[in-house]
Amino acid sequence: NAGVMQNPRHLVRRRGQEARLRCSPMKGHSHVYWYRQLPEEGLKFMVYLQKENIIDESGMPKERFSAEFPKEGPSILRIQQVVRGDSAAYFCASSPGTGEQETQYFGPGTRLLVL
Amino acid sequence: AQSVAQPEDQVNVAEGNPLTVKCTYSVSGNPYLFWYVQYPNRGLQFLLKYITGDNLVKGSYGFEAEFNKSQTSFHLKKPSALVSDSALYFCAVRDGNTGRRALTFGSGTRLQVQP
Repeated sequence: NAGVMQNPRHLVRRRGQEARLRCSPMKGHSHVYWYRQLPEEGLKFMVYLQKENIIDESGMPKERFSAEFPKEGPSILRIQQVVRGDSAAYFCASSPGTGEQETQYFGPGTRLLVL
Repeated sequence: AQSVAQPEDQVNVAEGNPLTVKCTYSVSGNPYLFWYVQYPNRGLQFLLKYITGDNLVKGSYGFEAEFNKSQTSFHLKKPSALVSDSALYFCAVRDGNTGRRALTFGSGTRLQVQP
């Protein structure tokens, strides 16, 4: 049973480019969460999605960041016009969507470096 | 607002000795508490959680945690540490009364187990 998959594992972008991070949840999971981890810090919540719906985007920066979880395919976190401060590890988690007390299971992360 | 404090940046312990990694939390409603472990360049692995019930929760790899409501603490423990336990440990909380799924993480504690 494969876990949460994220790709790419490492991504290098120059300032002003776009970054697209992909997340495939565990089999049978319909809820996806994105978190960001800055160096030497804990994870910070960004956005919570169900299929075709954004449920909670209270942690998303208002500009340049967007997320989607289409009916088919992986969830995508998109960062437009990247800046050096976007350099971080971005983690995706998924949960089954069967109950309010469920656990979030994390993927290996995408490490974004902005030059 | 919810918050988590992990007061120790690093904990050093000799192999075979008991270990404790401290965590205190603050939430308005009922706390849902989680411990995760992160190995270098990897994602977070779920260890255990407290939702309700017994204050002593047992999890993966011989770890356990004790929920103490009066002290708002959820310390992670293991009776006998292994060198392979050396990693970064994160405590996380969410408020079970609000319905929000976003986890709030502590800043992490690095556990170093010496042979």
